[in-house]
Amino acid sequence: GAGVSQSPSNKVTEKGKDVELRCDPISGHTALYWYRQSLGQGLEFLIYFQGNSAPDKSGLPSDRFSAERTGGSVSTLTIQRTQQEDSAVYLCASSSQGTTSNQPQHFGDGTRLSIL
Amino acid sequence: QKEVEQDPGPLSVPEGAIVSLNCTYSNSAFQYFMWYRQYSRKGPELLMYTYSSGNKEDGRFTAQVDKSSKYISLFIRDSQPSDSATYLCAMSANTGNQFYFGTGTSLTVIP
Repeated sequence: GAGVSQSPSNKVTEKGKDVELRCDPISGHTALYWYRQSLGQGLEFLIYFQGNSAPDKSGLPSDRFSAERTGGSVSTLTIQRTQQEDSAVYLCASSSQGTTSNQPQHFGDGTRLSIL
Repeated sequence: QKEVEQDPGPLSVPEGAIVSLNCTYSNSAFQYFMWYRQYSRKGPELLMYTYSSGNKEDGRFTAQVDKSSKYISLFIRDSQPSDSATYLCAMSANTGNQFYFGTGTSLTVIP
C-alpha cells in the first residue's frame, strides 16, 4: 500500500513484559515521527527520525522507551518492562521534509497497546 | 499556556449545516498550518495544509489562517454524517522539526 503501515494493530500484554511496535513509512519519506495518543488527550510527541538518525528524542517518557530506524525506512519503538500507564495508541507518521518541518505528516492507523 | 488550544466539543450539528472549527496558538513563529480528520480507531488523515495567512478551499472544506490574531479555522459546508469524526489542528514553524497539535474537536453530524 501507499500509506504508513503499523503493526501490530492491537497488542495486549502483561505488566512487566517488553513490547515492540513497528512502523513502515511511505516510501521515500525521510522523516519519521512517533506519537502517543491517550483517550481524550492530544498527540504526545515521542521521537523524530531524519533518515536513521534521531536528532530529537526529547519526548521519550522514560529510559524504558527506545526507538531505532534502519535503512532509512522501517522503525521500531520498544517499551521495556511495560507499566499500565503505557496503555495508549501509538501512532507513527512520516513526511518528505528535510531538516525543517515544512511538509505535512501522514499517519498510520496506530497500535493500540493495552497493559494488563 | 499550551502552544495550541482547541475546544474539545463535542459539537453536534444537523446534516447540511455549516461547521466552524477553530484553534488558537501562542507561537508567532508558526508558519505551516494543518487540519486532520480522525475517525474512531483510525489514524489522523490530512485534510488541509496551508502556509502563512489566508484562505484555502478544497471542495466543501475551507481553511482560514489569521496570523495577526493567531487563530485558524476550518469550515465545512453542507455537512454530511460521514463528516462525523474528531478534527485536529496542527502547526509548525519554519525551523526545527516539531509539530504542535490541538487536542481535537469531536463532531457529530446528525442525519
